[in-house]
Amino acid sequence: AQSVTQPDIHITVSEGASLELRCNYSYGATPYLFWYVQSPGQGLQLLLKYFSGDTLVQGIKGFEAEFKRSQSSFNLRKPSVHWSDAAEYFCAVERGGGFKTIFGAGTRLFVKA
Amino acid sequence: DTAVSQTPKYLVTQMGNDKSIKCEQNLGHDTMYWYKQDSKKFLKIMFSYNNKELIINETVPNRFSPKSPDKAHLNLHINSLELGDSAVYFCASSLRPGLAGVSYNEQFFGPGTRLTVL
Repeated sequence: AQSVTQPDIHITVSEGASLELRCNYSYGATPYLFWYVQSPGQGLQLLLKYFSGDTLVQGIKGFEAEFKRSQSSFNLRKPSVHWSDAAEYFCAVERGGGFKTIFGAGTRLFVKA
Repeated sequence: DTAVSQTPKYLVTQMGNDKSIKCEQNLGHDTMYWYKQDSKKFLKIMFSYNNKELIINETVPNRFSPKSPDKAHLNLHINSLELGDSAVYFCASSLRPGLAGVSYNEQFFGPGTRLTVL
């Protein structure tokens, strides 16, 4: 069965510091991979996605993620975090052509001044 | 010009009551979803609908009955509410993968409905 693991429940970084949020998935073939962000009291917004091609994908708000098949990982990165990035981040996997997206448990990002 | 809207935003009710949550999207999508997010922020799919037809039902109790009168609407009716139903419910929509060159399922989420059962 498909699954998504986000090992870090929460992470705190200083404003201006770099960020990496970890995501590991379990799926037989190459899945479609997503990162979503949820600001407090809001719905989820897509940051970026990967389904084929270049394994380094760029998203909105200066985020990027790298797909590593050998590690079954799709980690999210940002070189310099802004206070407005404080939110909950969800990694998700979807079997291509399916209607079912599996979300990880989320990582809460705190940004300190 | 909200893309995916849900009403109400907050819903407080007593155990045993029946309630409905409405969802509408104006994105021209043909696929809609309901998710439940519990107090620990865990997000789990409940239902997927494509062109008004049920595609996925993730072993949700039959007290939950989704209704899709047309492609732009997916409402969720809950009978005999229980304490464990307290959560935030999110509606989402997307284009069906395979249509118009869409190969993946980018979902657009509504703002959520916080249901509290007392």
